[in-house]
Amino acid sequence: EDQVTQSPEALRLQEGESSSLNCSYTVSGLRGLFWYRQDPGKGPEFLFTLYSAGEEKEKERLKATLTKKESFLHITAPKPEDSATYLCAVGASGGSYIPTFGRGTSLIVHP
Amino acid sequence: SQTIHQWPATLVQPVGSPLSLECTVEGTSNPNLYWYRQAAGRGLQLLFYSVGIGQISSEVPQNLSASRPQDRQFILSSKKLLLSDSGFYLCAWTPYQETQYFGPGTRLLVL
Repeated sequence: EDQVTQSPEALRLQEGESSSLNCSYTVSGLRGLFWYRQDPGKGPEFLFTLYSAGEEKEKERLKATLTKKESFLHITAPKPEDSATYLCAVGASGGSYIPTFGRGTSLIVHP
Repeated sequence: SQTIHQWPATLVQPVGSPLSLECTVEGTSNPNLYWYRQAAGRGLQLLFYSVGIGQISSEVPQNLSASRPQDRQFILSSKKLLLSDSGFYLCAWTPYQETQYFGPGTRLLVL
């Protein structure tokens, strides 16, 4: 059974204080690992898809990396507007496409 | 570009009343479509998914049902709502076996 565990559950940072969110996964053949940002009362917004170990992708202050067992979402010099819940999901190769989601990390960035 | 719509945005319904939530996707054809429920402080729970018109797979036994009358339309229904049906309902779509993209969501409160 595919599993995704995100840590920490909640993270409070001061503006400018860089940190990383972790997504550990087990999957029977990784087709893709996905990161989303979700603001309160809104649907998840797609950020990145990573396909293979060693791959990295960046968007503004966010950088996602992937190994064979986990992914990190690095947030460099965060701003209050980066406050949101960040969700990680994995898709397994073969069969119907039903990704497995983690419970998310709630990030609050204080000014 | 592709766009996903959900309506209504917010709904307050009495226990025992019927439910109909609608999701439509624009700018693509033959997408995979999904209904999720997200309870407060919890992860995404997959309710139904569809790979084509009239093809519905149910992931969780419940008093909800789904239908796909047209290629880009996905409907979530109930004949009699329960208190436990309250939550945030999200529709999502994927191009064949690619990243999921989510709609804005419907907040349902059953009283």
